[in-house]
Amino acid sequence: EAGVTQFPSHSVIEKGQTVTLRCDPISGHDNLYWYRRVMGKEIKFLLHFVKESKQDESGMPNNRFLAERTGGTYSTLKVQPAELEDSGVYFCASSRGGLATNEKLFFGSGTQLSVL
Amino acid sequence: LAKTTQPISMDSYEGQEVNITCSHNNIATNDYITWYQQFPSQGPRFIIQGYKTKVTNEVASLFIPADRKSSTLSLPRVSLSDTAVYYCLVALYSSASKIIFGSGTRLSIRP
Repeated sequence: EAGVTQFPSHSVIEKGQTVTLRCDPISGHDNLYWYRRVMGKEIKFLLHFVKESKQDESGMPNNRFLAERTGGTYSTLKVQPAELEDSGVYFCASSRGGLATNEKLFFGSGTQLSVL
Repeated sequence: LAKTTQPISMDSYEGQEVNITCSHNNIATNDYITWYQQFPSQGPRFIIQGYKTKVTNEVASLFIPADRKSSTLSLPRVSLSDTAVYYCLVALYSSASKIIFGSGTRLSIRP
């Protein structure tokens, strides 16, 4: 069974540019989550999809971040325009059921974003 | 929201048993305790989860005392490949936003 895949693994962009991160969850997993860890900080929740619907986006830092999951399969996270403080590692995770069922999260390897 | 406290780092040797303790003094009644392992350049990987007493799987054991204010992850006979960061998480699994990743424990295993 393929795991959660993220693309690209690394991205280096200049301040003001746009970057789109992609996450392919495990097939059959309705729940998809985005997390990020910025330099020296802890891993923080960004948002949660159930199929194509945003269940919880309370962790999104500001309106420069836009997440989509059209069709309820893969998801994209766009940062536009990127700022220096957006640099960090962005993780995607998926789970079959919702977390209310205490199911474990499967994480991807992350996208290392560097904004120069 | 329940916050966890665990040692920043630990060192051990191959073949030893390693116990990592996590404090979660304000854990709520419905919170579960979950441990994740993270290797460099990879995402966190689920190790074990429990609610109370003891849970054991093929990778580790999790000991939770009756008051549930702490938990101990036990790794039997560690090897060099167990060198990683270990996160203790406490969450009311009704919302992913309730999952708080702490700083984790950086475990280093020496030959």
